[in-house]
Amino acid sequence: GAGVSQSPSNKVTEKGKDVELRCDPISGHTALYWYRQSLGQGLEFLIYFQGNSAPDKSGLPSDRFSAERTGGSVSTLTIQRTQQEDSAVYLCASSLVSVSSYNEQFFGPGTRLTVL
Amino acid sequence: SQKIEQNSEALNIQEGKTATLTCNYTNYSPAYLQWYRQDPGRGPVFLLLIRENEKEKRKERLKVTFDTTLKQSLFHITASQPADSATYLCALLSGGSYIPTFGRGTSLIVHP
Repeated sequence: GAGVSQSPSNKVTEKGKDVELRCDPISGHTALYWYRQSLGQGLEFLIYFQGNSAPDKSGLPSDRFSAERTGGSVSTLTIQRTQQEDSAVYLCASSLVSVSSYNEQFFGPGTRLTVL
Repeated sequence: SQKIEQNSEALNIQEGKTATLTCNYTNYSPAYLQWYRQDPGRGPVFLLLIRENEKEKRKERLKVTFDTTLKQSLFHITASQPADSATYLCALLSGGSYIPTFGRGTSLIVHP
């Protein structure tokens, strides 16, 4: 079956521009996560959506970062006025939250963002 | 502050040997611990989950142990193969939380 997909796979932008990154989770997965991974670094949590609950935005590094999840499915991560330190791979994951498969996350291939 | 440590140096082993990777944590009381595999240019892939009341979990050639006293998990791959070469990440979850905290991962290189 289809896994988590992300687009674009690569994005090169100029400092100060806005970018939008898209994530299509696995159908039926109620939980969706965004992470950031810099070279040699671990996965940095950004934001978590679960069903119709208010998202957990505690990982967003600044107010330039925002995310939406429409209709409980597709999510868009927006970075405004990009800075060079925003360059990283942005990973999306979805999961089916249940007792039997506790939070096993399915990751997309990521979007590599380069800010010049 | 909470801290997860995985060996930043790559682990090089010979094909057929057992690879053992370590995940140590401090200032954390995880209820669950997960291991993921990540290949270059790809997202992590879930491998195993172990609960705090479980000492050991096995899946095919994989074995995970969880020692809450030592605050450590060991991840073993027996009869390792070059195809096992990848970065392995551990992730911890507190009870009631759905947001894991990931370690930086350890690179495993299996030589033929």
